[in-house]
Amino acid sequence: EDQVTQSPEALRLQEGESSSLNCSYTVSGLRGLFWYRQDPGKGPEFLFTLYSAGEEKEKERLKATLTKKESFLHITAPKPEDSATYLCAVQGPYTDKLIFGTGTRLQVFP
Amino acid sequence: DGGITQSPKYLFRKEGQNVTLSCEQNLNHDAMYWYRQDPGQGLRLIYYSQIVNDFQKGDIAEGYSVSREKKESFPLTVTSAQKNPTAFYLCASSPGQGNHGYTFGSGTRLTVV
Repeated sequence: EDQVTQSPEALRLQEGESSSLNCSYTVSGLRGLFWYRQDPGKGPEFLFTLYSAGEEKEKERLKATLTKKESFLHITAPKPEDSATYLCAVQGPYTDKLIFGTGTRLQVFP
Repeated sequence: DGGITQSPKYLFRKEGQNVTLSCEQNLNHDAMYWYRQDPGQGLRLIYYSQIVNDFQKGDIAEGYSVSREKKESFPLTVTSAQKNPTAFYLCASSPGQGNHGYTFGSGTRLTVV
């Protein structure tokens, strides 16, 4: 069964303290891995799509990487406005449906 | 600007009542989805539609119903058969074919009173 596991569940960082969020997945034939940011009471906002192992994408302080078993979202020198829940999702080979993890709730303190 | 509009933002339901959540998109996307989000749980798929006049059950379809009469619209009805409807409901759309991510609406918070 296709599955996505995110860790840690929650992460508290001091402003400027870099860290990484993990997304482990099992899917038979990955077509795409997606990262979203979700603020409280709002819908998820798209960040990145990764398609193959070794691929990396960057946006401001965020960098997403992909291996055959997991993806990392690296946050460099975070700011309080980076506080949000970060969701990971995978898409298998025979469907357009996305399977989501439970997310990592990030809090960045000044 | 293109996007997905969900309404209302907040909805209150009495016991035994059916309520309908609206979802409209102007992205010309073929596929639309309804997810339920509960604290500590991932997004769970309720129903999805890949083409007008066709839809499929997701993982937790019991107590819900949908229709897809127009490409732009995919309303969700939470029926009285849904025993625990209090949750945050998210509608999403995608182009359909291919490895595309979703565009999400801003959500509807449903509370049973």
